[in-house]
Amino acid sequence: GENVEQHPSTLSVQEGDSAVIKCTYSDSASNYFPWYKQELGKRPQLIIDIRSNVGEKKDQRIAVTLNKTAKHFSLHITETQPEDSAVYFCAAPGGGSTLGRLYFGRGTQLTVWP
Amino acid sequence: NAGVMQNPRHLVRRRGQEARLRCSPMKGHSHVYWYRQLPEEGLKFMVYLQKENIIDESGMPKERFSAEFPKEGPSILRIQQVVRGDSAAYFCASSPSEGLQETQYFGPGTRLLVL
Repeated sequence: GENVEQHPSTLSVQEGDSAVIKCTYSDSASNYFPWYKQELGKRPQLIIDIRSNVGEKKDQRIAVTLNKTAKHFSLHITETQPEDSAVYFCAAPGGGSTLGRLYFGRGTQLTVWP
Repeated sequence: NAGVMQNPRHLVRRRGQEARLRCSPMKGHSHVYWYRQLPEEGLKFMVYLQKENIIDESGMPKERFSAEFPKEGPSILRIQQVVRGDSAAYFCASSPSEGLQETQYFGPGTRLLVL
């Protein structure tokens, strides 16, 4: 199956700085890569996703980049705010099908200091 | 459009009892997925269902765990004879029947505590 590695496990930044979280995957057939944000005690919320036919996608302060050759994708958050503090998870489907199970990274605890 | 609904939100069981977790997908969604999350860990896939069909149960323990998604009503994850190691948050997700079918939306989860 797919193996998703996520780094770093914890990340602390000052408000206004940028934060970058990186993930690698093993199955070259994976073609859909979502990112989820989970606040303490809450549900994982989809914040952005990217499909393999594009290399970058942006939504306001959040962007995701994808390098299919190197099999890695990254989440970029600019102008961070204290409310960005949460655990962020990357995921990939594996197996060449976008339907079905998602393999999740172990998560990155992001803390934004005011 | 109501989001994915799960109940109960919290469930306490003694060892050996049964736990039943319910999930109602979003309107227009026919794919349901169950994941388990242990403290400070990522989400681990358990089972993928469509109406009246189990599509992939490769992540579910062979014993004591079962899942269904009947024609009418919510999807049910059933854990028989619970043990302390079953304590975790169980999340259900659903994805659309058409269009961007790979996009999974999560419910609020059921936090199971086994005493």
